[in-house]
Amino acid sequence: DVKVTQSSRYLVKRTGEKVFLECVQDMDHENMFWYRQDPGLGLRLIYFSYDVKMKEKGDIPEGYSVSREKKERFSLILESASTNQTSMYLCASSPSTGGDTDTQYFGPGTRLTVL
Amino acid sequence: QQPVQSPQAVILREGEDAVINCSSSKALYSVHWYRQKHGEAPVFLMILLKGGEQKGHDKISASFNEKKQQSSLYLTASQLSYSGTYFCGTERDYKLSFGAGTTVTVRA
Repeated sequence: DVKVTQSSRYLVKRTGEKVFLECVQDMDHENMFWYRQDPGLGLRLIYFSYDVKMKEKGDIPEGYSVSREKKERFSLILESASTNQTSMYLCASSPSTGGDTDTQYFGPGTRLTVL
Repeated sequence: QQPVQSPQAVILREGEDAVINCSSSKALYSVHWYRQKHGEAPVFLMILLKGGEQKGHDKISASFNEKKQQSSLYLTASQLSYSGTYFCGTERDYKLSFGAGTTVTVRA
């Protein structure tokens, strides 16, 4: 089974802090994604990466950055956390087999609260 | 641009049927359906491809109308285990854009 793990289930940070959210997948997937999930808004793509050291902006990249130094690990960085970044953050990965967009496998999520 | 899902929520009794709709303002190449149970990660249900081919499994089925840029998910003879939030994802440049979700509650 594909396993996507996220470093924390719950995180509380203060406004202005630098926050790192880590995601690791064990299936050698090329593609990795970061979403945030808010009530009534569904899943919104923040950033994604289709290869090591490659990244592309999603729909809501402002206030975030990412890092992918190794294939299995994709980090989301909040340079200076703000209260409007309080949310559930979901990481996902998918293989890149060509053709149709491949199934995405999600991690359990990190619920981040910024005070 | 996110696809639009309807309804936002539905409450069913065991054995009842429901339909969840997903529509897009842009041409669709494929539509994915995921289900998220409370406190858990979203899990893939099925993918529908342009051309009418349907993939997936289980007793939940779906259709894809390319002309209308719509997909519908059919929950037939619902079971308690069907409860959760259902998301459709529409493909765009090898990424998925997800709808806001439809919360399904199945009661005994």
